[in-house]
Amino acid sequence: EAQVTQNPRYLITVTGKKLTVTCSQNMNHEYMSWYRQDPGLGLRQIYYSMNVEVTDKGDVPEGYKVSRKEKRNFPLILESPSPNQTSLYFCASSPPWAVNQETQYFGPGTRLLVL
Amino acid sequence: AQSVTQLDSHVSVSEGTPVLLRCNYSSSYSPSLFWYVQHPNKGLQLLLKYTSAATLVKGINGFEAEFKKSETSFHLTKPSAHMSDAAEYFCVVSEGTDKLIFGTGTRLQVFP
Repeated sequence: EAQVTQNPRYLITVTGKKLTVTCSQNMNHEYMSWYRQDPGLGLRQIYYSMNVEVTDKGDVPEGYKVSRKEKRNFPLILESPSPNQTSLYFCASSPPWAVNQETQYFGPGTRLLVL
Repeated sequence: AQSVTQLDSHVSVSEGTPVLLRCNYSSSYSPSLFWYVQHPNKGLQLLLKYTSAATLVKGINGFEAEFKKSETSFHLTKPSAHMSDAAEYFCVVSEGTDKLIFGTGTRLQVFP
């Protein structure tokens, strides 16, 4: 089954404790992206990756890091989480050609609470 | 710069009545437009997309949307609401780049 998986699905942590949210896709997609969803703000892009070892900032990259060492995985790293990073996070992937015209497949989401 | 505005944060309808979720966009070029749906505690699912073909786009679950360039609108409609349509709906625009710009969402409530 074609899917994007995220782990963990729910996470409660404390300020400053480094964490990683994993994202994996089994569709051999080149393009992957991270979004955060906040009430009244919709989804905002954090980082995206066009291919292995190619990453770029989205609209709200501050406080986040990503890496793309292999095509299927695109982890999101919070080196020193803060309460304003409490949010619902979605990973997405799609084929590389004309990303805007191809469906982006979304993971189930990771709900993060930073105390 | 591209942007998208969803005109209603909440819409309430009775089961069996029509649904209208409004979306206006701003784009310098010919945009691609999408509607995504998010059911409670679920991820996002693509309902339909417009990519410069037919202006009336049919999607899943009986939804459709019409691209109106003169009005810069891409409203989502359904003739008859079902209880299972209760969800949050996002209008999304893309302008030939790698980025999707999401609207702030419209929460649809369906009453029996």
